[in-house]
Amino acid sequence: AQSVTQLDSHVSVSEGTPVLLRCNYSSSYSPSLFWYVQHPNKGLQLLLKYTSAATLVKGINGFEAEFKKSETSFHLTKPSAHMSDAAEYFCVVSEVGFKTIFGAGTRLFVKA
Amino acid sequence: ETGVTQTPRHLVMGMTNKKSLKCEQHLGHNAMYWYKQSAKKPLELMFVYNFKEQTENNSVPSRFSPECPNSSHLFLHLHTLQPEDSALYLCASSQVSRDTYRNEQFFGPGTRLTVL
Repeated sequence: AQSVTQLDSHVSVSEGTPVLLRCNYSSSYSPSLFWYVQHPNKGLQLLLKYTSAATLVKGINGFEAEFKKSETSFHLTKPSAHMSDAAEYFCVVSEVGFKTIFGAGTRLFVKA
Repeated sequence: ETGVTQTPRHLVMGMTNKKSLKCEQHLGHNAMYWYKQSAKKPLELMFVYNFKEQTENNSVPSRFSPECPNSSHLFLHLHTLQPEDSALYLCASSQVSRDTYRNEQFFGPGTRLTVL
């Protein structure tokens, strides 16, 4: 059975400091993994995706994530937070067919 | 119009009303999805349509009735809803094939539904 666990429901950082949003998954097969961002009153926007190519994936707005199979992790990072990064972030695992599982989300707060 | 659009953006309805949510995708995708997003709960997949055929129904109550007349349009018909059905309803689309499940989904802005 597949599952996604986002280890922190809330993360608070200061502007200009690094961001780390943690995600662990379990999957019976070789999954595809995604990170989405949702700003208030908006739909979800794809940040980046892993589909069994390079394990370090670069996305939009300076975000990147590293797929670590041995740790079953897909943590999202950014070297320097910006105020506009404040949003909710979802880690997603996708398997055969249309089985897509969303994590519970991590809300990122950025302090000035 | 580009991407995935949803109308209305906001809807307030009584428990005895009948209303419909509309989703349209302009991306040429062949799969469309309805999700429910409630406060403090994970995103819940409700329905999946692939090539206009419903391929997934995640035990959604019958007061929610989906309709997919073509690959670009998706409706969610609502009747006799309950206050706990108040949520953000998100539509998404993707391009899938038999050989891949690596389908990134493109989301609309959602319809904020309030049931009184």
